[in-house]
Amino acid sequence: ETGVTQTPRHLVMGMTNKKSLKCEQHLGHNAMYWYKQSAKKPLELMFVYSLEERVENNSVPSRFSPECPNSSHLFLHLHTLQPEDSALYLCASSPQTSGHSTDTQYFGPGTRLTVL
Amino acid sequence: AQKITQTQPGMFVQEKEAVTLDCTYDTSDQSYGLFWYKQPSSGEMIFLIYQGSYDEQNATEGRYSLNFQKARKSANLVISASQLGDSAMYFCARLNTPLVFGKGTRLSVIA
Repeated sequence: ETGVTQTPRHLVMGMTNKKSLKCEQHLGHNAMYWYKQSAKKPLELMFVYSLEERVENNSVPSRFSPECPNSSHLFLHLHTLQPEDSALYLCASSPQTSGHSTDTQYFGPGTRLTVL
Repeated sequence: AQKITQTQPGMFVQEKEAVTLDCTYDTSDQSYGLFWYKQPSSGEMIFLIYQGSYDEQNATEGRYSLNFQKARKSANLVISASQLGDSAMYFCARLNTPLVFGKGTRLSVIA
Protein backbone atom coordinates (compact mmCIF):
# COMPACT_ATOMS: atom_id res chain seq x y z
CA GLU A 1 0.00 0.00 0.00
CA THR A 2 1.33 3.42 -0.87
CA GLY A 3 1.52 5.91 2.01
CA VAL A 4 -1.19 8.43 1.12
CA THR A 5 -3.81 7.80 -1.53
CA GLN A 6 -6.36 10.16 -3.01
CA THR A 7 -9.43 9.53 -5.14
CA PRO A 8 -10.46 10.51 -7.66
CA ARG A 9 -7.29 11.64 -9.42
CA HIS A 10 -9.26 13.84 -11.78
CA LEU A 11 -12.67 15.43 -11.37
CA VAL A 12 -14.72 17.68 -13.60
CA MET A 13 -17.86 19.17 -12.09
CA GLY A 14 -20.43 21.82 -12.75
CA MET A 15 -21.08 24.68 -10.38
CA THR A 16 -24.29 23.10 -9.10
CA ASN A 17 -22.86 19.63 -8.45
CA LYS A 18 -21.96 18.07 -5.13
CA LYS A 19 -18.89 15.85 -4.99
CA SER A 20 -16.40 14.57 -2.44
CA LEU A 21 -12.66 14.07 -2.49
CA LYS A 22 -11.25 11.21 -0.46
CA CYS A 23 -7.87 10.81 1.18
CA GLU A 24 -6.55 7.75 2.99
CA GLN A 25 -3.23 7.34 4.78
CA HIS A 26 -1.61 4.02 5.66
CA LEU A 27 1.22 5.45 7.74
CA GLY A 28 -0.34 5.40 11.20
CA HIS A 29 -0.20 9.19 11.39
CA ASN A 30 -2.38 11.29 13.66
CA ALA A 31 -2.62 14.46 11.58
CA MET A 32 -4.07 15.06 8.13
CA TYR A 33 -4.19 18.15 5.92
CA TRP A 34 -5.90 19.54 2.84
CA TYR A 35 -3.97 21.92 0.57
CA LYS A 36 -5.01 23.79 -2.54
CA GLN A 37 -2.50 24.38 -5.33
CA SER A 38 -3.58 26.88 -7.98
CA ALA A 39 -1.52 27.80 -11.01
CA LYS A 40 1.26 30.25 -10.21
CA LYS A 41 0.41 30.45 -6.52
CA PRO A 42 2.08 28.84 -3.52
CA LEU A 43 0.39 25.93 -1.86
CA GLU A 44 -2.37 27.10 0.42
CA LEU A 45 -3.23 25.21 3.58
CA MET A 46 -6.98 24.73 3.86
CA PHE A 47 -7.64 22.46 6.84
CA VAL A 48 -5.70 20.60 9.52
CA TYR A 49 -7.02 17.68 11.53
CA SER A 50 -5.30 16.16 14.53
CA LEU A 51 -6.76 12.96 16.00
CA GLU A 52 -9.95 13.59 14.01
CA GLU A 53 -10.39 17.09 15.44
CA ARG A 54 -10.13 20.14 13.23
CA VAL A 55 -7.34 22.33 14.58
CA GLU A 56 -7.02 24.86 11.80
CA ASN A 57 -9.27 26.36 9.18
CA ASN A 58 -7.58 29.00 7.08
CA SER A 59 -10.59 31.14 6.16
CA VAL A 60 -11.81 28.64 3.60
CA PRO A 61 -15.22 29.34 2.02
CA SER A 62 -18.07 27.24 3.36
CA ARG A 63 -18.57 25.59 -0.04
CA PHE A 64 -15.63 23.40 1.07
CA SER A 65 -16.56 21.14 3.96
CA PRO A 66 -14.00 18.74 5.47
CA GLU A 67 -14.78 15.54 7.32
CA CYS A 68 -12.41 13.32 9.27
CA PRO A 69 -14.23 10.19 10.48
CA ASN A 70 -11.03 8.56 11.79
CA SER A 71 -7.31 9.21 11.76
CA SER A 72 -6.83 7.31 8.49
CA HIS A 73 -9.49 9.01 6.36
CA LEU A 74 -10.13 12.58 5.33
CA PHE A 75 -12.81 13.87 3.02
CA LEU A 76 -13.40 17.21 1.34
CA HIS A 77 -17.04 17.74 0.42
CA LEU A 78 -17.61 20.18 -2.41
CA HIS A 79 -20.82 22.03 -3.31
CA THR A 80 -21.71 25.01 -5.47
CA LEU A 81 -18.09 25.61 -6.42
CA GLN A 82 -16.85 28.44 -8.62
CA PRO A 83 -14.56 28.18 -11.67
CA GLU A 84 -11.77 29.82 -9.64
CA ASP A 85 -11.85 26.77 -7.36
CA SER A 86 -10.29 24.74 -10.16
CA ALA A 87 -6.94 23.55 -8.80
CA LEU A 88 -4.92 20.59 -7.61
CA TYR A 89 -6.10 19.50 -4.16
CA LEU A 90 -3.44 17.75 -2.16
CA CYS A 91 -3.88 15.71 0.98
CA ALA A 92 -1.03 15.13 3.40
CA SER A 93 -0.45 13.39 6.71
CA SER A 94 2.15 13.69 9.46
CA PRO A 95 2.82 11.89 12.72
CA GLN A 96 1.35 14.75 14.74
CA THR A 97 0.76 18.50 14.69
CA SER A 98 2.74 19.35 17.76
CA GLY A 99 4.67 21.95 15.84
CA HIS A 100 7.85 19.99 16.34
CA SER A 101 10.12 20.54 13.41
CA THR A 102 10.39 16.82 12.76
CA ASP A 103 6.76 16.48 11.67
CA THR A 104 7.45 15.66 8.06
CA GLN A 105 4.32 15.76 5.95
CA TYR A 106 3.78 13.09 3.33
CA PHE A 107 1.55 13.94 0.42
CA GLY A 108 -0.86 12.05 -1.75
CA PRO A 109 -0.88 12.33 -5.55
CA GLY A 110 -3.60 14.96 -5.54
CA THR A 111 -6.98 15.41 -7.21
CA ARG A 112 -7.01 17.71 -10.21
CA LEU A 113 -10.36 19.50 -10.05
CA THR A 114 -11.94 21.45 -12.89
CA VAL A 115 -15.09 23.44 -12.23
CA LEU A 116 -17.06 24.35 -15.32
CA ALA B 1 3.51 37.03 7.44
CA GLN B 2 6.51 34.77 7.69
CA LYS B 3 7.38 33.58 4.23
CA ILE B 4 9.63 31.47 2.04
CA THR B 5 11.36 32.98 -1.00
CA GLN B 6 12.58 31.00 -3.98
CA THR B 7 14.08 33.52 -6.40
CA GLN B 8 14.63 31.18 -9.35
CA PRO B 9 11.38 30.48 -11.23
CA GLY B 10 13.25 28.17 -13.60
CA MET B 11 16.64 26.50 -13.86
CA PHE B 12 18.41 24.40 -16.48
CA VAL B 13 21.19 21.95 -15.75
CA GLN B 14 23.17 19.53 -17.87
CA GLU B 15 22.76 15.86 -17.04
CA LYS B 16 25.40 14.64 -14.54
CA GLU B 17 26.14 18.18 -13.38
CA ALA B 18 25.33 19.57 -9.92
CA VAL B 19 22.72 22.29 -9.40
CA THR B 20 21.81 24.54 -6.47
CA LEU B 21 18.26 25.70 -5.88
CA ASP B 22 17.98 28.76 -3.65
CA CYS B 23 15.67 29.24 -0.68
CA THR B 24 15.55 31.98 1.91
CA TYR B 25 13.08 32.25 4.72
CA ASP B 26 11.74 34.76 7.13
CA THR B 27 11.16 33.72 10.72
CA SER B 28 11.46 35.02 14.23
CA ASP B 29 11.18 31.55 15.72
CA GLN B 30 14.14 29.90 17.39
CA SER B 31 13.09 26.36 16.53
CA TYR B 32 11.84 25.44 13.09
CA GLY B 33 12.22 22.88 10.37
CA LEU B 34 13.00 23.30 6.69
CA PHE B 35 11.91 20.87 4.01
CA TRP B 36 12.38 20.40 0.32
CA TYR B 37 9.76 18.68 -1.80
CA LYS B 38 9.81 17.59 -5.45
CA GLN B 39 6.67 17.76 -7.56
CA PRO B 40 6.84 15.97 -10.94
CA SER B 41 4.28 16.67 -13.62
CA SER B 42 2.07 13.94 -12.14
CA GLY B 43 1.34 16.31 -9.24
CA GLU B 44 2.45 14.25 -6.26
CA MET B 45 4.53 16.15 -3.70
CA ILE B 46 7.53 14.00 -2.80
CA PHE B 47 9.48 14.66 0.40
CA LEU B 48 13.23 14.95 -0.29
CA ILE B 49 15.13 16.27 2.71
CA TYR B 50 14.70 17.90 6.10
CA GLN B 51 16.89 20.29 8.12
CA GLY B 52 16.20 21.25 11.73
CA SER B 53 17.20 24.71 12.86
CA TYR B 54 19.33 23.28 15.68
CA ASP B 55 21.02 20.60 13.59
CA GLU B 56 24.73 21.20 13.53
CA GLN B 57 25.36 19.23 10.36
CA ASN B 58 23.92 20.01 6.95
CA ALA B 59 21.37 17.39 5.97
CA THR B 60 22.18 14.91 3.22
CA GLU B 61 20.00 12.26 1.56
CA GLY B 62 21.67 10.44 -1.31
CA ARG B 63 22.22 12.95 -4.12
CA TYR B 64 20.42 15.68 -2.19
CA SER B 65 22.15 17.92 0.31
CA LEU B 66 21.10 21.07 2.06
CA ASN B 67 23.41 24.07 2.35
CA PHE B 68 21.99 25.52 5.55
CA GLN B 69 23.20 28.96 6.60
CA LYS B 70 21.20 29.90 9.65
CA ALA B 71 22.57 33.42 10.08
CA ARG B 72 21.65 34.23 6.49
CA LYS B 73 18.32 32.37 6.78
CA SER B 74 19.00 30.34 3.71
CA ALA B 75 18.52 26.64 3.02
CA ASN B 76 19.66 25.91 -0.52
CA LEU B 77 19.15 22.47 -2.04
CA VAL B 78 22.08 20.94 -3.89
CA ILE B 79 21.41 18.10 -6.30
CA SER B 80 24.55 16.30 -7.41
CA ALA B 81 24.92 14.28 -10.61
CA SER B 82 21.61 15.45 -12.09
CA GLN B 83 19.46 12.91 -13.88
CA LEU B 84 16.72 13.40 -16.45
CA GLY B 85 14.21 12.20 -13.86
CA ASP B 86 15.10 15.15 -11.66
CA SER B 87 13.17 17.47 -13.98
CA ALA B 88 10.30 18.76 -11.80
CA MET B 89 9.12 21.61 -9.62
CA TYR B 90 11.00 21.93 -6.35
CA PHE B 91 9.46 23.56 -3.30
CA CYS B 92 11.14 24.79 -0.17
CA ALA B 93 8.95 24.81 2.94
CA ARG B 94 9.26 25.87 6.54
CA LEU B 95 7.43 24.22 9.38
CA ASN B 96 6.33 25.78 12.55
CA THR B 97 2.70 24.77 12.25
CA PRO B 98 1.63 25.03 9.57
CA LEU B 99 3.89 24.22 6.69
CA VAL B 100 4.61 27.33 4.60
CA PHE B 101 5.71 26.80 1.01
CA GLY B 102 7.67 28.91 -1.43
CA LYS B 103 6.48 29.44 -5.01
CA GLY B 104 8.82 26.78 -6.32
CA THR B 105 11.60 26.44 -8.89
CA ARG B 106 11.13 24.49 -12.09
CA LEU B 107 14.24 22.44 -12.81
CA SER B 108 14.86 21.10 -16.28
CA VAL B 109 17.66 18.58 -16.78
CA ILE B 110 19.10 18.55 -20.30
CA ALA B 111 20.67 15.46 -21.86
